[in-house]
Amino acid sequence: GIQVEQSPPDLILQEGANSTLRCNFSDSVNNLQWFHQNPWGQLINLFYIPSGTKQNGRLSATTVATERYSLLYISSSQTTDSGVYFCAVPYGGSQGNLIFGKGTKLSVKP
Amino acid sequence: KAGVTQTPRYLIKTRGQQVTLSCSPISGHRSVSWYQQTPGQGLQFLFEYFSETQRNKGNFPGRFSGRQFSNSRSEMNVSTLELGDSALYLCASSSAGAGNTEAFFGQGTRLTVV
Repeated sequence: GIQVEQSPPDLILQEGANSTLRCNFSDSVNNLQWFHQNPWGQLINLFYIPSGTKQNGRLSATTVATERYSLLYISSSQTTDSGVYFCAVPYGGSQGNLIFGKGTKLSVKP
Repeated sequence: KAGVTQTPRYLIKTRGQQVTLSCSPISGHRSVSWYQQTPGQGLQFLFEYFSETQRNKGNFPGRFSGRQFSNSRSEMNVSTLELGDSALYLCASSSAGAGNTEAFFGQGTRLTVV
């Protein structure tokens, strides 16, 4: 089946710093989602981005489907950005389920 | 528009018991998927229901089952609980399934088996 790899596994930043999280996937996909898991466990949708670039405030994402990777950029990080970031891609065609990477754990220090 | 609602939020059960978790999807969404999250295995797909039919199933034993009602609400059941079933169970709602459309997750049910 499809493999999803995220890097780095852990990232520690000082407040105000910028960061780039990477998601590689082993096969072509219809779409890709980025999530932020908050301390209570809920997965918060960040981006639904099959290809191209999207921006939402301090966050932006780029997916290069032909090269099978996606990048999540966080600028001017805040302590509230701390948590685990997951990317997920569907497996099994149009009726597939999501396959998740192992996540990047981000800690932003004040 | 209300989000995905999971109940209960927390559960403590004893080995051998059974448990039922509930998920109410976003209004108009017909697909509900369930995922198990553990520190060792990460997020793993359990099953998906679409219009009351199980459409996909992950690699979990038969003790894990589910169903979907005509209003798209879904329940999952775990029988004969084992310590290893302790996990965060998340459900996802989407209009047509995660293969084609964006999935939205509930807050999860944290199950502890003692």
